[in-house]
Amino acid sequence: KQEVTQIPAALSVPEGENLVLNCSFTDSAIYNLQWFRQDPGKGLTSLLLIQSSQREQTSGRLNASLDKSSGRSTLYIAASQPGDSATYLCAVQGGGFKTIFGAGTRLFVKA
Amino acid sequence: ETGVTQTPRHLVMGMTNKKSLKCEQHLGHNAMYWYKQSAKKPLELMFVYNFKEQTENNSVPSRFSPECPNSSHLFLHLHTLQPEDSALYLCASSPSDRGLNSPLHFGNGTRLTVT
Repeated sequence: KQEVTQIPAALSVPEGENLVLNCSFTDSAIYNLQWFRQDPGKGLTSLLLIQSSQREQTSGRLNASLDKSSGRSTLYIAASQPGDSATYLCAVQGGGFKTIFGAGTRLFVKA
Repeated sequence: ETGVTQTPRHLVMGMTNKKSLKCEQHLGHNAMYWYKQSAKKPLELMFVYNFKEQTENNSVPSRFSPECPNSSHLFLHLHTLQPEDSALYLCASSPSDRGLNSPLHFGNGTRLTVT
């Protein structure tokens, strides 16, 4: 059974700092891994999707890496801003339509 | 504007009420999902429909009844709920070829409170 763990559960950093969020999963037989952002009381916004054959994806200040063999992914946020404050979720998709989510990392960027 | 619209945004209902949640997607997708998000817990997959056929029922109690009349619309009918069913209910859609590069797209959710 796939399990997804995100560390840390919460993180507070000063504006401008570079930071890394971690995601680990127990079953390496995945099709893709997706990072989402969720603002309080809102739905999820897709940030990046990494296919199982890829090592990383980049979008603006965000870079996500995937090491499928070790069951790990990282989301790197460069030059953090107060507007980056949100909960960040990773999710892995295995067989069928099942996508399993981690519990998220709650990020607060202080101005 | 997310491409996936959920109504209502907020719902308060008593344990004896019957209500329905609605989801509509404008992305041309053929797979639609219901997820439940409770405080301090990861998102839980409830139901999946692909081309209007239910492909996943994740051991959800029968007081939750999904309906998918077409690939653009998804409903969740609620009856005799319990207070522990209070949560954020999220709808999502994706292309039906759920393979290497078909991300989930989510709506903003319905915040349900059962009194």
